[in-house]
Amino acid sequence: GAVVSQHPSRVICKSGTSVKIECRSLDFQATTMFWYRQFPKKSLMLMATSNEGSKATYEQGVEKDKFLINHASLTLSTLTVTSAHPEDSSFYICSARDLITGPGSPLHFGNGTRLTVT
Amino acid sequence: AQSVAQPEDQVNVAEGNPLTVKCTYSVSGNPYLFWYVQYPNRGLQFLLKYITGDNLVKGSYGFEAEFNKSQTSFHLKKPSALVSDSALYFCAVSYAGNNRKLIWGLGTSLAVNP
Repeated sequence: GAVVSQHPSRVICKSGTSVKIECRSLDFQATTMFWYRQFPKKSLMLMATSNEGSKATYEQGVEKDKFLINHASLTLSTLTVTSAHPEDSSFYICSARDLITGPGSPLHFGNGTRLTVT
Repeated sequence: AQSVAQPEDQVNVAEGNPLTVKCTYSVSGNPYLFWYVQYPNRGLQFLLKYITGDNLVKGSYGFEAEFNKSQTSFHLKKPSALVSDSALYFCAVSYAGNNRKLIWGLGTSLAVNP
């Protein structure tokens, strides 16, 4: 089945530094990838939609200068948390939908990245 | 407003008993409905979906769900729960009016007790 690889799985960084998270679709192509943030009480928050070859679309309230998204190819999207602060500590999950199968097909998720900012 | 509700924050069942995790939705037009499962510190895994056709949908790991248009529900069910089914379950819906972007429920924690 379709696999999405997300790295790193865990990262600890100091306040003020930047962290890059990679999301790759391993056996399918995705023009669109989605970045989520999951809070301790479980809920998923869509942060942005990453579009191959164009700018990401951010959800209301998400700082685009803080959460930089680059979708360099049909199989790779990156999320960079710039100047991280402790309140950015969270579980970040990427997902992608197969280009060929369309909007009725399910999303494939990476295993998430646990970011801890000290 | 378009929304998805999972009215139960937590569901507890005994192993071997049937389980139900509830989901109701409120969207315009014809919904696409999905269930996903999340194990601790992992991403989400797709379980099943309803797009069109037969209202009873069968999915992975013995799960099924029934689309009920009149009640705008899509409850997840399994006839006999396993301890390994203990996880977090998310219902999601999309509709044509928002470019099929997924709207997520808040999740339901399922605990299956041995």
